[in-house]
Amino acid sequence: ETGVTQSPTHLIKTRGQQVTLRCSSQSGHNTVSWYQQALGQGPQFIFQYYREEENGRGNFPPRFSGLQFPNYSSELNVNALELDDSALYLCASTTGLLQETQYFGPGTRLLVL
Amino acid sequence: AQSVTQLGSHVSVSEGALVLLRCNYSSSVPPYLFWYVQYPNQGLQLLLKYTTGATLVKGINGFEAEFKKSETSFHLTKPSAHMSDAAEYFCAVSAYGGSQGNLIFGKGTKLSVKP
Repeated sequence: ETGVTQSPTHLIKTRGQQVTLRCSSQSGHNTVSWYQQALGQGPQFIFQYYREEENGRGNFPPRFSGLQFPNYSSELNVNALELDDSALYLCASTTGLLQETQYFGPGTRLLVL
Repeated sequence: AQSVTQLGSHVSVSEGALVLLRCNYSSSVPPYLFWYVQYPNQGLQLLLKYTTGATLVKGINGFEAEFKKSETSFHLTKPSAHMSDAAEYFCAVSAYGGSQGNLIFGKGTKLSVKP
């Protein structure tokens, strides 16, 4: 176990709804990254937060947004859900220092109907 | 821009046989390279990583990988497969040469181990 936790484990939403996913990072880590893993694909980088500021973003539309809190836990918010948003959402935490490993949580599986 | 290509979406080996999972990368800066394993319905677990220094990297569970700059490859090997190695394996490159800004993953290789 990595010490990174995510909630909920599973979620079912309908198209057009909004969803919030949560991530608690490993103790001592101040950097959190979010990834989307569609079925049969590798994870794709959504964005990263470092000390409560967005620190890089992948090729995802603005309806994907995030927050990082003073305790370094994080949220991923997705508005106006689309069917293609169905995926496993992974968060990973790290110290942010060079060469440090990203530790992944178990993920939240989102199904959009 | 960085990219990763994993050759073979599915590899099947017999228990006790050599495991070889192939990964080629493209990077405009010196890469950091990683192999992660994902068991069904779980997150990703780091097997090993190459940052700088020795090009042969040893990881957990008997896996190792060799960074070959001339071939832009980072293939994963294990001398003798075990049933518990059945999982999906992802090769990844960091997007920046000197940071963990984000990881670019390959599409994954599913490893099956036959008794």
